[in-house]
Order: sequence, then C-alpha cells, then structure tokens
Amino acid sequence: DTAVSQTPKYLVTQMGNDKSIKCEQNLGHDTMYWYKQDSKKFLKIMFSYNNKELIINETVPNRFSPKSPDKAHLNLHINSLELGDSAVYFCASSPTRDRSSYNYGYTFGSGTRLTVV
Amino acid sequence: DQQVKQNSPSLSVQEGRISILNCDYTNSMFDYFLWYKKYPAEGPTFLISISSIKDKNEDGRFTVFLNKSAKHLSLHIVPSQPGDSAVYFCAASARNSGAGSYQLTFGKGTKLSVIP
Repeated sequence: DTAVSQTPKYLVTQMGNDKSIKCEQNLGHDTMYWYKQDSKKFLKIMFSYNNKELIINETVPNRFSPKSPDKAHLNLHINSLELGDSAVYFCASSPTRDRSSYNYGYTFGSGTRLTVV
Repeated sequence: DQQVKQNSPSLSVQEGRISILNCDYTNSMFDYFLWYKKYPAEGPTFLISISSIKDKNEDGRFTVFLNKSAKHLSLHIVPSQPGDSAVYFCAASARNSGAGSYQLTFGKGTKLSVIP
C-alpha cells in the first residue's frame, strides 16, 4: 500500500492551461507539504498544511493554490501555466513534530514531473 | 541563499569500502538534521537523522556525525553496497516551527555510485 500517492506521475501541458496534481496519504499524518525540485535539483518547500490549515506559504506565484479538503489530502492547482513551472513536484506528509521524538522525517510521494510546452 | 550545501555533486566508491557524504549549513537556528536517499523516478526516502544535542547517530551501516562548531555533518556508509547507489540529500530543520509543521531545507544532493 502506497503511503503517499500523487497523481498523475507525468503531466505534459501547454502554456496557459490550468492543471491539478492530487496527493493523498494514508499514514494518519497531520501535516502535508508540497515541494518543488527545479532544474538545478534543489528541493524547495512551497506550502505546508497542518490539519487542513495553511501553515507555510513560501514565495510562490498566486497562480499556485493548494487545497486541503481533509488532512489526508493536499491538492495543488496551477493556473495559467508558464514554461518556468516545469519541474518535479513532490508531495510529502509528516506527523506533528514531537520535540521528544528522536527520529522523524517526511514521507514523500514519488513525484509528478510537469512539463510545460 | 543556500543554507544547506552539499559541495560534491557526485562520489564513486568501491563496493565494501566506506562512503562519506558531506554537508555544510549556515543557519545556526537549525536543530535537526536528516539524510534522505533518492532513486530515479521515486520520491526521497528518509534514511537517518540527528538532533543538535547529539554528535553521532548510528543505524546499521549508516552513521551520521554532527560537528556543530563547524556547522558540518557527514553520512558514513560502511560497507558500501551497489544498492546504495542513489542521490543522497542532506536536510535541516529549524527550531522555530511551533505550529506542528516544520520546514525542511534541503541541499542539492550528492549522487553516490558504488562500483561492484
């Protein structure tokens, strides 16, 4: 059973289109994230939701809008796609950080490779 | 502004030998450090972590060392196996996350190739 699943895995679309990427986790985690890995291979956080509430919103164009219908889902909608949006987008989830816990980390999905042509 | 740096984009090691992957950071607020492993077309998977109150954490063949004064950490893999060939990301988290969510800052990754 996949812990964090993203769909679609590949997405090729034209400039100006609107697209969505879906993410679901079955780990019972409270927090979900979207990360972007650009052509320079950096993994950068875009958004974080904790129990359906937006917690982190990095400097991302407002064409990107996350939506969390429940704590197991965090979808990413992108309007008016641009060439520079081409990247791999990773969804992730984590339990609420427990400062007494020694080991924690994100569980990532397998990524969605978005190509804008 | 790269707060987490992995200066070696690639590393080749013979099977059975030690692999040492290095990571430097600049933000003194970071208090938790993690290593992730990534295979092609897959998401990163959590490997091992260390709190800033420790200087070493070991899990089987994997050991992470933290030198706070030098703002440096390293991942040692002994002995290296061909299945360890992957991209390894160093990541760090700051102590100012109070809302139950925490942001990980990642390095660019080091591609490890273990040669049989």
